[in-house]
Amino acid sequence: QKEVEQNSGPLSVPEGAIASLNCTYSDRGSQSFFWYRQYSGKSPELIMFIYSNGDKEDGRFTAQLNKASQYVSLLIRDSQPSDSATYLCAVNIGTDKLIFGTGTRLQVFP
Amino acid sequence: NAGVTQTPKFQVLKTGQSMTLQCAQDMNHNSMYWYRQDPGMGLRLIYYSASEGTTDKGEVPNGYNVSRLNKREFSLRLESAAPSQTSVYFCASKRTGGSNQPQHFGDGTRLSIL
Repeated sequence: QKEVEQNSGPLSVPEGAIASLNCTYSDRGSQSFFWYRQYSGKSPELIMFIYSNGDKEDGRFTAQLNKASQYVSLLIRDSQPSDSATYLCAVNIGTDKLIFGTGTRLQVFP
Repeated sequence: NAGVTQTPKFQVLKTGQSMTLQCAQDMNHNSMYWYRQDPGMGLRLIYYSASEGTTDKGEVPNGYNVSRLNKREFSLRLESAAPSQTSVYFCASKRTGGSNQPQHFGDGTRLSIL
């Protein structure tokens, strides 16, 4: 059974701090890794993707991938209250499918 | 710039009734997906269509059927609704190009079965 594991949280951080969200996956054949943000009552929205080991930065967001450890993370710098949402980690299974973690709820307090 | 459009947005059914959820995308994507999302369970794949003319079961297909009507449209049918099918249903689509293409989601259909 292929799995993606995330801590459900909530992860509470003060405004301006770095939020670190983590995800582990079981399928060593996975090549593509996605982070989605989902506000309460809304649909998932793609915010980052990463395919290669190392870091990928996009504005305040940095995705980190370590395939040897089967670990992917998302860092959010200068966290804002508007970043409060559930963050879903998704990993490819073959060419066509994704498997999603259950998400980590992030709360950024002023 | 519609993206993925789902109808209806909300629906209440009685046990045993049938219902079709509609999904259409205007991004010329080949692959389309139906998920359900329940509290604490995350997104679970019901059915998907990797290309026009093909459909395949996902993780939780029982009680559902799908139709890939054309490249744009992918519908999900509940033949005899059960309370366990109360959920939020999301449709998604993806370009061809392998595993590195992200999926893009519609706004969801909130379905309650009484």
